Amino acid sequence: DTEVTQTPKHLVMGMTNKKSLKCEQHMGHRAMYWYKQKAKKPPELMFVYSYEKLSINESVPSRFSPECPNSSLLNLHLHALQPEDSALYLCASSQPGQGANEAFFGQGTRLTVV
Amino acid sequence: KQEVTQIPAALSVPEGENLVLNCSFTDSAIYNLQWFRQDPGKGLTSLLLIQSSQREQTSGRLNASLDKSSGRSTLYIAASQPGDSATYLCAVGPPFYNQGGKLIFGQGTELSVKP
Repeated sequence: DTEVTQTPKHLVMGMTNKKSLKCEQHMGHRAMYWYKQKAKKPPELMFVYSYEKLSINESVPSRFSPECPNSSLLNLHLHALQPEDSALYLCASSQPGQGANEAFFGQGTRLTVV
Repeated sequence: KQEVTQIPAALSVPEGENLVLNCSFTDSAIYNLQWFRQDPGKGLTSLLLIQSSQREQTSGRLNASLDKSSGRSTLYIAASQPGDSATYLCAVGPPFYNQGGKLIFGQGTELSVKP
């Protein structure tokens, strides 16, 4: 099973709302990632969790708050977003420190901020 | 700073053609290189991964090569089909202890295979 599952698939939220994106994998991977992708652009890294600890924050605004409750789950909490935050949010996982460190991506959450 | 470039940006071919997508990167200190496929509005599907010590990988009609010293990789698609139409992204990754496995992506090649 090489599946990374993201929910919801689509999300529309107002600028004053609080919402969360969820990501789950059961491959035993100990690194999990959030990427943001705007239309016609490549994905850009936001956060990396390694062994459930935040290891990289690519200077992401505090209105995005990641959380890794356990080795299989990754959340992204959203609050007071702006319309320019509308994008496809992708979760990925990999197994660091061994072999190829191949990254597997989920199908993404299409976020629209109104 | 690692930069990844993909050429061409878009490609339209008739069904059945063999084709080559190109990817170049500026820093040869990579751990691996992955090729992904992305359908419109969807996530990324991993096609092939080449570790830095390898020269090529094959999966079905796909063959990816890596020349680390020259900073180049190619993805060869044999006997293209309309179902191959998608955006193809290459991404390079540093060792995990350096930058935590952060993938640096090229801008992608948008492929259209006409019946």
